[in-house]
Amino acid sequence: AQSVTQLDSHVSVSEGTPVLLRCNYSSSYSPSLFWYVQHPNKGLQLLLKYTSAATLVKGINGFEAEFKKSETSFHLTKPSAHMSDAAEYFCVVSENSGYSTLTFGKGTMLLVSP
Amino acid sequence: NAGVTQTPKFQVLKTGQSMTLQCAQDMNHNSMYWYRQDPGMGLRLIYYSASEGTTDKGEVPNGYNVSRLNKREFSLRLESAAPSQTSVYFCASSDRRGIGSEAFFGQGTRLTVV
Repeated sequence: AQSVTQLDSHVSVSEGTPVLLRCNYSSSYSPSLFWYVQHPNKGLQLLLKYTSAATLVKGINGFEAEFKKSETSFHLTKPSAHMSDAAEYFCVVSENSGYSTLTFGKGTMLLVSP
Repeated sequence: NAGVTQTPKFQVLKTGQSMTLQCAQDMNHNSMYWYRQDPGMGLRLIYYSASEGTTDKGEVPNGYNVSRLNKREFSLRLESAAPSQTSVYFCASSDRRGIGSEAFFGQGTRLTVV
């Protein structure tokens, strides 16, 4: 079975400061992990994904995430927040065994203040 | 390249009415999905189709039916709408031929049942 826990429902940062969105996962098999972003009233866009290659994954718009198997974590970071980063972010897991669907976390709303 | 197209974008139904949400993808993907998004709940899987000719229940299938019409199209039907089905519905597709295939999402259908 697979599951995802996003540890914060809301994160507030000031423009220009670092962003950290936390995600822990559970999976019976080696996982693939994704971060998606959803801007208000929009669809979901893939930020980055981990698929058992390099543990540090770089995505679009300066975001990156590090897969830590020992901690079952896949936290999303960005060195400097921009106003346009304000959105909801979803951590997603899929098991690499047979056919596995995507399981979403409940989301973290990122608020960026000037 | 349209990607995943959902229709309609908005719909208001009265309790007990029926409707079908349409979804089509032009990426030649094998798998298609229907999710619903509710505040604070993330995205929850309603039904999925791993390949043409197959459909399976997801986490929240009650009150819904689906049809995989062909490889491109996957529809979601509400036979007798209830206020609890007020939600934003997303269709998605993925390749699923390799580990870590991400899903591509439509723009969503905002459904209100009164």
